[in-house]
Amino acid sequence: GQQVMQIPQYQHVQEGEDFTTYCNSSTTLSNIQWYKQRPGGHPVFLIQLVKSGEVKKQKRLTFQFGEAKKNSSLHITATQTTDVGTYFCAGYNNAGNMLTFGGGTRLMVKP
Amino acid sequence: DAGITQSPRHKVTETGTPVTLRCHQTENHRYMYWYRQDPGHGLRLIHYSYGVKDTDKGEVSDGYSVSRSKTEDFLLTLESATSSQTSVYFCAISEYSSNEQFFGPGTRLTVL
Repeated sequence: GQQVMQIPQYQHVQEGEDFTTYCNSSTTLSNIQWYKQRPGGHPVFLIQLVKSGEVKKQKRLTFQFGEAKKNSSLHITATQTTDVGTYFCAGYNNAGNMLTFGGGTRLMVKP
Repeated sequence: DAGITQSPRHKVTETGTPVTLRCHQTENHRYMYWYRQDPGHGLRLIHYSYGVKDTDKGEVSDGYSVSRSKTEDFLLTLESATSSQTSVYFCAISEYSSNEQFFGPGTRLTVL
């Protein structure tokens, strides 16, 4: 079945440093979504990418969808303590009926 | 936050007992999902529903059953709980297939 891998599993950064998490799928995705989960909380939707090569920005967050629609990345510029949490990518298969999540990248920010 | 509630929020039970978790939504969304979250595994889909009485299996459905008799309620049942089913369970909803999903607050289940 479809597998979605995410690296790194953990990342410690100093506040102000940049952060990137990478997502790779074993199959072509119809779209990819990113979620953030704060410690003790529930996943919260951040963004969805649909087109090959698409790039979207939300303030300090930049999301990319690969040309082959099998990989994606999330880059945070100048991290803040409010960025702490686990970031998940999740992809829909071409049937569009099931969302497969990556294992997540846990971001810790040292003030 | 979307109107999604889960009950109970915490439960401790013993191996072999039946357990039912409830997800209730006030958004009238068609799709509802049950996930489990375990360290190192992210979120894994157990079952999902695409309408009243319409359900299908997800990635890790063994040992779980679901029912949806009303649009707003989606029940997850563990017929005979095992320790491997100790996890945090999240319900999610979406208006359309392939759309963003909104998650409930989660239920922490411990099976002793």
